[in-house]
Amino acid sequence: GAVVSQHPSRVICKSGTSVKIECRSLDFQATTMFWYRQFPKQSLMLMATSNEGSKATYEQGVEKDKFLINHASLTLSTLTVTSAHPEDSSFYICSADPRTSYGYTFGSGTRLTVV
Amino acid sequence: SQQGEEDPQALSIQEGENATMNCSYKTSINNLQWYRQNSGRGLVHLILIRSNEREKHSGRLRVTLDTSKKSSSLLITASRAADTASYFCATDAGNMLTFGGGTRLMVKP
Repeated sequence: GAVVSQHPSRVICKSGTSVKIECRSLDFQATTMFWYRQFPKQSLMLMATSNEGSKATYEQGVEKDKFLINHASLTLSTLTVTSAHPEDSSFYICSADPRTSYGYTFGSGTRLTVV
Repeated sequence: SQQGEEDPQALSIQEGENATMNCSYKTSINNLQWYRQNSGRGLVHLILIRSNEREKHSGRLRVTLDTSKKSSSLLITASRAADTASYFCATDAGNMLTFGGGTRLMVKP
């Protein structure tokens, strides 16, 4: 149980285009989901907290207009990277807390490459 | 949002040896969690230790928590080549996880 599905796993896009990443909780409801960004050989940095039915909370330094987050249902949060640039190339991971004794559950991640 | 520091940043050992990774953090926590990440993959939850617990075991894993020193350690005993991965500690203060910098473990066969 407590599975988070993230899609796509890899995406290559051209500079200036937008990319949408989906994060779904498959067997539990998640009023809150978290979006992280990870550069090679570095740790996960929290970008934003996605709240069902309300605005996302962004961490300092993360551009709200560039990283659009929508959490329209209790099982789905999306992150849209708008007007992507090569420096946005990174590994994006979502997570949710299934409220069990086993910690947060993470998606398998999305490797974004902007060319 | 990175609260913790982990050391060492990288660790290389031979198969069969034990691996110890340490994590320090700065604020009060509800629990501390350890995760494993294989290269380019998502995170896998390993073990959760609550703030009122001092030690926890799971298979070949042993985690300790010292809230007075705001530190935790992860011990992997009898390591295997398949244990090669990055290991992260993460603190839960109640509403989100904050990750340490991670330890890259390489276990040589």
